Amino acid sequence: SQTIHQWPATLVQPVGSPLSLECTVEGTSNPNLYWYRQAAGRGLQLLFYSVGIGQISSEVPQNLSASRPQDRQFILSSKKLLLSDSGFYLCAWSAPVETRWVFFGSGTQLSVL
Amino acid sequence: GQNIDQPTEMTATEGAIVQINCTYQTSGFNGLFWYQQHAGEAPTFLSYNVLDGLEEKGRFSSFLSRSKGYSYLLLKELQMKDSASYLCAVVDSNYQLIWGAGTKLIIKP
Repeated sequence: SQTIHQWPATLVQPVGSPLSLECTVEGTSNPNLYWYRQAAGRGLQLLFYSVGIGQISSEVPQNLSASRPQDRQFILSSKKLLLSDSGFYLCAWSAPVETRWVFFGSGTQLSVL
Repeated sequence: GQNIDQPTEMTATEGAIVQINCTYQTSGFNGLFWYQQHAGEAPTFLSYNVLDGLEEKGRFSSFLSRSKGYSYLLLKELQMKDSASYLCAVVDSNYQLIWGAGTKLIIKP
């Protein structure tokens, strides 16, 4: 069966520090991968999605970047965090031909202070 | 543009029934999802509607009217554990999910 791992669960970082969140998927090949952000009390905002290694689409211009160094690994990064980067970050995957069905990781609560 | 509207917050009493509405205007339609999300956790799947009508699953039901761009989630016999946010998401013409902001449901004893 397919599983998705996301870490860390909680992160507190000072403004201006770098960020690296990692997500891996097991049990499937060539998944579509997604990074979402959810501000407090808000809906899900799609940040990045990837349909293959090295292929990243950015939905929103921002202080963040994403990379997909391996088929089932997706990384969210920042060189210098801003206060506005605080939020709940969710990694997700879908099968290549069934993008309606999205499966979420457990999320990372990021607080930038 | 694409738009999904849900009430921000609703309050209901334990044991009662509550209906959470969702209206949408999207570029194409290929289905509508309802997810439940407890604070600090990932959303979990509740229902999927692609045809008009009512889908019932235990205490939860979901209704869709494509002509009206409207859906609702009906929760019966409310329990305290149903206190959560409920997210409506529409699948657009590119088979991408468009998310509503969610409705925070507060259950009172």
